[in-house]
Amino acid sequence: EADIYQTPRYLVIGTGKKITLECSQTMGHDKMYWYQQDPGMELHLIHYSYGVNSTEKGDLSSESTVSRIRTEHFPLTLESARPSHTSQYLCASSEGQGGNIQYFGAGTRLSVL
Amino acid sequence: AQTVTQSQPEMSVQEAETVTLSCTYDTSESDYYLFWYKQPPSRQMILVIRQEAYKQQNATENRFSVNFQKAAKSFSLKISDSQLGDAAMYFCAYRSGWANFGNEKLTFGTGTRLTIIP
Repeated sequence: EADIYQTPRYLVIGTGKKITLECSQTMGHDKMYWYQQDPGMELHLIHYSYGVNSTEKGDLSSESTVSRIRTEHFPLTLESARPSHTSQYLCASSEGQGGNIQYFGAGTRLSVL
Repeated sequence: AQTVTQSQPEMSVQEAETVTLSCTYDTSESDYYLFWYKQPPSRQMILVIRQEAYKQQNATENRFSVNFQKAAKSFSLKISDSQLGDAAMYFCAYRSGWANFGNEKLTFGTGTRLTIIP
């Protein structure tokens, strides 16, 4: 398995709480991604980063924000969680130079009550 | 924009038999990559196989092979000698071959849930 880690694996919280989903990789990859995956559905890109201090929004609009202060760390934050944010969030990374294989973490399954 | 279509939400196969999962895609690009990813229940998504569009030869990885038909925009996955560990969701994905900023994202299909019958 790839060296990319997500915590927590499962999270149940109440509406209005601020949460941060953690993603770290030890492969030295420049590029990192966040996908949202609803049950039985395809993955949609919500954020990506090409390196430190570089972040962009993906195809699917999301109220979450991300930061990339260190190469290995790409956390995702929801300032005020709502039931509509209930989903699975997958983090991925890939090499910076010509690499095109994305390596995925195990995901965080978020439930907002 | 590129789209990826997997028309089989669920498939099942007897252990040791062969199964083929379908994928079609739509693109106006000539240079791109296609992938099959496997997502076991509650586990990491992992790459099964990759095909580069400019290569005529179909990719093969052990029991996994693809049938890449560029003109038809078809990219099916064949799993031979199916094993219980092959049970998972399988996603077909597309990536542009142009390595410009923003083009390296993957576009996924809706997935096919594969069940292996002992």
